[in-house]
Amino acid sequence: QQPVQSPQAVILREGEDAVINCSSSKALYSVHWYRQKHGEAPVFLMILLKGGEQKGHDKISASFNEKKQQSSLYLTASQLSYSGTYFCGTERPISNSGYALNFGKGTSLLVTP
Amino acid sequence: EAQVTQNPRYLITVTGKKLTVTCSQNMNHEYMSWYRQDPGLGLRQIYYSMNVEVTDKGDVPEGYKVSRKEKRNFPLILESPSPNQTSLYFCASSLPDREQYFGPGTRLTVT
Repeated sequence: QQPVQSPQAVILREGEDAVINCSSSKALYSVHWYRQKHGEAPVFLMILLKGGEQKGHDKISASFNEKKQQSSLYLTASQLSYSGTYFCGTERPISNSGYALNFGKGTSLLVTP
Repeated sequence: EAQVTQNPRYLITVTGKKLTVTCSQNMNHEYMSWYRQDPGLGLRQIYYSMNVEVTDKGDVPEGYKVSRKEKRNFPLILESPSPNQTSLYFCASSLPDREQYFGPGTRLTVT
């Protein structure tokens, strides 16, 4: 039930763009995106709810296509601080009031000078 | 300061010796969960709780127990730890359908 992320790893030069994809075989209610620096806890970036709304956070944005059960994270004009591992989390309802959040295996992003 | 705390941060123990990792949040969140993180496997959910006295299994619950007697606390219990439970553990909390706030992590080694 883990969503599948691609690519597994990417190396960029500062200023370049990247796209990280997240797909699920199950119907999705929402998608979360987090970034984790080495040795630290994951930190929230954004959440996308059903409706295909694209959200933005500085130069990082994301889209959610619930029909295709996919989400993509877009990093534009990457900065050194963008380095880390990116996780998508897919949320699906499991009861009237409950939901489960499953994370992908992560995409390792390295931005070099 | 809004935060999720976990204790201990580091723990080395021996096979079979019961242990508890505590998790506490001060944000009045209904939803709490435990994850383990292993290289190449990402974050895998162990257990989650929608509210007090409401808990359910995640993807990898074998060998773990949880309880939610108070809204702020969600301890993770390993009744008889084994070496394959050596991992980095994160507790998280959130409001329904909102971002998860993660604790700092507990690195557990079972020898």
